Amino acid sequence: GDSVTQMEGPVTLSEEAFLTINCTYTATGYPSLFWYVQYPGEGLQLLLKATKADDKGSNKGFEATYRKETTSFHLEKGSVQVSDSAVYFCALSTMGNTGKLIFGQGTTLQVKP
Amino acid sequence: EADIYQTPRYLVIGTGKKITLECSQTMGHDKMYWYQQDPGMELHLIHYSYGVNSTEKGDLSSESTVSRIRTEHFPLTLESARPSHTSQYLCASRKSSYNEQFFGPGTRLTVL
Repeated sequence: GDSVTQMEGPVTLSEEAFLTINCTYTATGYPSLFWYVQYPGEGLQLLLKATKADDKGSNKGFEATYRKETTSFHLEKGSVQVSDSAVYFCALSTMGNTGKLIFGQGTTLQVKP
Repeated sequence: EADIYQTPRYLVIGTGKKITLECSQTMGHDKMYWYQQDPGMELHLIHYSYGVNSTEKGDLSSESTVSRIRTEHFPLTLESARPSHTSQYLCASRKSSYNEQFFGPGTRLTVL
């Protein structure tokens, strides 16, 4: 079945460091890919998305490119801030079924001043 | 900004109580979902609905039930809460023509 695998956390970085969180997926068909972010005590917020191969999603300095050849959707940011500390979830959705999201296990990011 | 609401945000109750977690959205979305988030943060789909009078069970077996009498409302009920139900419950919705789901703030349930 469809699945998403994220790099394990926690990830601890200093402010202004470069961030990469790896995400790979397994899916039949052509899924849409998402990154969601969850701040402490809150629900999930959509960070960015890509709906087809080679699409680049971007938002708030974060970027991810849909790589069909490597089945990956790695999240990157050039310079993290303390306010980026949160849990990040990679997810996929295929339109052909319920439209449900299949999530990775989440990666905790802690940014230190 | 997504308009999806969940109440209560936090709930602590004793074993055996009946509870209902409320979820409402004002976006006119036809599809709605309930996810359970365990302490390890993984999210599992427990219920979903395609529209009014449509409900289906998700990937993770749950003793909870749901109803969808109105488009905007998708409550989740536990007839007899147990400590194993302690978790965070997240409600989400989406429009059929789009893939992204919008999430509510969640209800953190603790059953003593």
